[in-house]
Amino acid sequence: QVQLVQSGAEVKKPGASVKVSCKASGYTFTSYGIHWVRQAPGQGLEWMGWISPYSGNTNYAQNFQGRVTMTTDTSTSTAYMDLRSLRSDDAAVYYCARDLGLLPGYWGQGTLVTVSS
Amino acid sequence: QSALTQPPSASGSPGQSVTISCTGTSNDVGGYTYVSWYQQHPGKAPKVVIYEVTNRPSGVPDRFFGSKSGNTAFLTVSGLQAEDEADYYCSSNAGINTFVFGTGTKVTVL
Repeated sequence: QVQLVQSGAEVKKPGASVKVSCKASGYTFTSYGIHWVRQAPGQGLEWMGWISPYSGNTNYAQNFQGRVTMTTDTSTSTAYMDLRSLRSDDAAVYYCARDLGLLPGYWGQGTLVTVSS
Repeated sequence: QSALTQPPSASGSPGQSVTISCTGTSNDVGGYTYVSWYQQHPGKAPKVVIYEVTNRPSGVPDRFFGSKSGNTAFLTVSGLQAEDEADYYCSSNAGINTFVFGTGTKVTVL
């Protein structure tokens, strides 16, 4: 079955970077895109961007352009999301999700990122 | 791109139906057949209950029904059960490899 397992919780200082990983299994990794979505405490879902593991093509939401980089390692079926220049309002649970009908379908368990000085 | 508009809350008694709307524009909901709906229980990851406007993934009960009219998509949950109490979000294609979520609706089973 499709499974996405994310890396553990992170605590970062303002201005630092965080890199979250997402290891996929149960399907052919290069056949489906990976979305990254975040959810601040008590808030809704926010789409951050998408990457094609097949081509490496990416598309980032305007709010994150210049601050986020999404990559994949096809040898380990792992996707990565790197967010730089962290601010307090970047504190959130970050999710990866595999395409289902283009949109996020199968979700990882989430990674809590805390930003605190 | 702006978030899709959903009502903040909806409710129904067990056995009744509830319908949630998701309003966008011709640049997202109205322009594509890629609309999904997600159920999220507190502290859990979202789970897709409808994709491509009307399709149910395997394992999702047929009590969940998706539809679309113009720039608005709808999720109807019939035969409400206690476990349906959750937050629900819609999402739509909003351009080439660009996507947007709705504001979310809290469904309460009375």
